[in-house]
Amino acid sequence: EVQLVESGGGLFKPGGSLRLSCAASGFTFSAYSMNWVRQAPGKGLEWVSFVSASSSHIYYSDSVRGRFTISRDNAKNSLFLQMNSLRVEDTAVYYCARHFSGSDYWGHGTLVTVSS
Amino acid sequence: AIQLTQSPSSLSASVGDRITIACRASQGISSALAWYQQKPGQAPKLLIYDASRLQTGVPSRFSGSYSGTDFTLTISSLQPEDFAAYYCQQFNGYPFTFGGGTNVEIK
Repeated sequence: EVQLVESGGGLFKPGGSLRLSCAASGFTFSAYSMNWVRQAPGKGLEWVSFVSASSSHIYYSDSVRGRFTISRDNAKNSLFLQMNSLRVEDTAVYYCARHFSGSDYWGHGTLVTVSS
Repeated sequence: AIQLTQSPSSLSASVGDRITIACRASQGISSALAWYQQKPGQAPKLLIYDASRLQTGVPSRFSGSYSGTDFTLTISSLQPEDFAAYYCQQFNGYPFTFGGGTNVEIK
């Protein structure tokens, strides 16, 4: 069974940093590209970042480029999102999702709240 | 960036109704479009990929179609468990934009 489990969310101050993790199991993690998608409270879905299976291709949304860094460790079946220079508008549930003609499997999400 | 305009933003319908949700792309994206269902407090669930392919395990009352830059999600006979939010997403080019969403409510 495919499972994606995010962790690392919580309450953070503007300008601060955090690292989200996503632990993958039930599939060959190293064979799949991955995405991070977020959803602000009461709002729609927003794609954040993509990393290809070998990390050779990485893309970001304009809203996070230069502040967030996506990475992965295929040996540990893990996906990461390093989030720096946090802003209030980064408050959202962050989902990791397996990339397949969109995203076919999603984690349950982890809530990041940025507030002073 | 490719924009996706989803309509309507909300609709009220009854069990058994046939409903359609539209998603228009600002430029050609071939068939690189997915549809998701999201219920409150849950992660999105993939329903349709490549514009018209039904994801494994999704009931056949869901279908997707497209013509040019116009995409449609159809639910042929609405069931109680289908009341949810629906989103389209394009994956033809970065950023992988989502539509604004459609809330399907009980009439």
